[in-house]
Amino acid sequence: EIVLTQSPATLSLSPGERATLSCRASQSVTSYLAWYQHKPGQAPRLLIYDASNRVTGIPARFSGSGSGTDFTLTISSLESEDFALYYCQQRSNWPITFGQGTRLEIK
Amino acid sequence: QVQLVESGGGVVQPGGSLKLSCAASGFIFSHYDMHWVRQAPGKGLEWVAFIRYDASNKNYADSVKGRFTISRDNSKNTVYLQMNSLRAEDTAVYYCAKDSGVGAHFDSWGQGTLVTVSS
Repeated sequence: EIVLTQSPATLSLSPGERATLSCRASQSVTSYLAWYQHKPGQAPRLLIYDASNRVTGIPARFSGSGSGTDFTLTISSLESEDFALYYCQQRSNWPITFGQGTRLEIK
Repeated sequence: QVQLVESGGGVVQPGGSLKLSCAASGFIFSHYDMHWVRQAPGKGLEWVAFIRYDASNKNYADSVKGRFTISRDNSKNTVYLQMNSLRAEDTAVYYCAKDSGVGAHFDSWGQGTLVTVSS
């Protein structure tokens, strides 16, 4: 099973700041990595698929990069609605796995 | 507009069974693979099961293999999760999720249904 390790566990930033979230895989997932945003009481939302492809309708301030084992989700300038939990997920190998999440909180 | 609506959650005793349903609309259901994903209280997301668009292939997390069965009825636009031999650690919100079509990334999710396994 591929283990995804996200860092940091919690990120405290202010609106307007840049957020950088990391996801590291225990073995290569090539580019088969996605990022989701999850708010309490809501369904998770797909933001980025296959490492760097932004889903239609997702604001341009969200971007993804990386390949192999190291991936990054960047939010260029935080808006109030961006404070949430973020998960990475790989589809390279069965079983599909998620990272443990990064909580992005308002400083 | 894609809509996924789960139902069938509730409280069940350890060792019991429950069947979840997920009614889909807003897309051609028979063309897409579907998944179940769960979130235990205070925990992260865990993929549970996958079914190919024509039910020709299925896959399960090791934690549920042999106890859970995923199925679908394309005539009813519905995917199911039959859960047997339930354990306390199966307590979670269960989401059905639509495959993106380019692989197992989930581009639409339901709101989830809560399953509580407790005596």
